[in-house]
Amino acid sequence: DAKTTQPTSMDCAEGRAANLPCNHSTISGNEYVYWYRQIHSQGPQYIIHGLKNNETNEMASLIITEDRKSSTLILPHATLRDTAVYYCIVRSLNTGTASKLTFGTGTRLQVTL
Amino acid sequence: DTGVSQNPRHKITKRGQNVTFRCDPISEHNRLYWYRQTLGQGPEFLTYFQNEAQLEKSRLLSDRFSAERPKGSFSTLEIQRTEQGDSAMYLCASTEGGWGNEQFFGPGTRLTVL
Repeated sequence: DAKTTQPTSMDCAEGRAANLPCNHSTISGNEYVYWYRQIHSQGPQYIIHGLKNNETNEMASLIITEDRKSSTLILPHATLRDTAVYYCIVRSLNTGTASKLTFGTGTRLQVTL
Repeated sequence: DTGVSQNPRHKITKRGQNVTFRCDPISEHNRLYWYRQTLGQGPEFLTYFQNEAQLEKSRLLSDRFSAERPKGSFSTLEIQRTEQGDSAMYLCASTEGGWGNEQFFGPGTRLTVL
């Protein structure tokens, strides 16, 4: 699976949009971009995923650049409960593999009052 | 609560002892994963089951580690002759259906080896 690069940490004021960037310049055509987050003392939680089109769900929006070499996760109105480590993961859905998740060190997002 | 449970939540043991962790996945999920997470790092893949078959093991899974999933339901992860380097959070995740489906993680078992 392709490697990802994320900033170590970010701050965001409550109520503002949090924009978390991710670089995945070696992504291949059959690899998806997934985002998970991990709140302190909990297991990771799925947020969203996409291939090349922008995606939106009730939690967040995912913007993938046209060349697919980078993406941004957007939390439109961050709350204190969004404070967590956010992981950007590039994942192959080749059915011959375990389709495991390969986590990096993620971005620690701190939402403040 | 994701529906995936792990027991115990915490385990403290002395070096050289054996420990066993249990994961109960969401009942209809046929795929089950084990990950290990050390402080400040993201989770690392250990092994994967599809139903009762263990289909992939990471190089991280030394001979002292063994995992089972009898009957394709709950799974156990055993570590024999524990070492201080085994101290970590052990996470279990389950998923169903297609390869791209989200993995639901349990709360983890935190192991401390003294």
